[in-house]
Amino acid sequence: ETGVTQTPRHLVMGMTNKKSLKCEQHLGHNAMYWYKQSAKKPLELMFVYNFKEQTENNSVPSRFSPECPNSSHLFLHLHTLQPEDSALYLCASSQVPGTFPSGAKNIQYFGAGTRLSVL
Amino acid sequence: GENVEQHPSTLSVQEGDSAVIKCTYSDSASNYFPWYKQELGKRPQLIIDIRSNVGEKKDQRIAVTLNKTAKHFSLHITETQPEDSAVYFCAASPYSTLTFGKGTMLLVSP
Repeated sequence: ETGVTQTPRHLVMGMTNKKSLKCEQHLGHNAMYWYKQSAKKPLELMFVYNFKEQTENNSVPSRFSPECPNSSHLFLHLHTLQPEDSALYLCASSQVPGTFPSGAKNIQYFGAGTRLSVL
Repeated sequence: GENVEQHPSTLSVQEGDSAVIKCTYSDSASNYFPWYKQELGKRPQLIIDIRSNVGEKKDQRIAVTLNKTAKHFSLHITETQPEDSAVYFCAASPYSTLTFGKGTMLLVSP
């Protein structure tokens, strides 16, 4: 498996369920990201992890809980979601900008996403 | 924080025509400007990028121009083909994150 892989590809959950999204990158990157993609806000940054440490939380509600156990894996734990949380959740990875070999470029590689429906 | 505006939201052209998508940004510290293409049901993929020390970059039928003074940058696609139909996102990066525009849906009719 190469690139950035996300599982599951589709998820339907009730508002009282707890589920997790998984992202794995095989590119040797040290930064990982969660984005929410919806019709209203096409690519909305949620969380950033650099070297396993969270460096950005874009005012995301606490019902979304990220976890980054190592530089290759990123999880998004979901609980008591609302119907408006239905969206495509995209994971991305990159080298931390300013580090070798990308220099100042923040070239992000995206996974195929998890299509989430909250009933 | 950075704010990126992108226009138009939808662009329809005939095959063979040129297409231009424009973006403006607000943070003068932004120094990296990538463009991503997202085909229907697929992931966004980088198609071209430019750094702030360069005014123009070209790769076959696509080119990007940057005007730092005016804080705007544009994507130019020449000789459009039906397979160019997709949503295109511009982005600006002042530090360690990318701020994306809202996207342009490009429709190329045969």
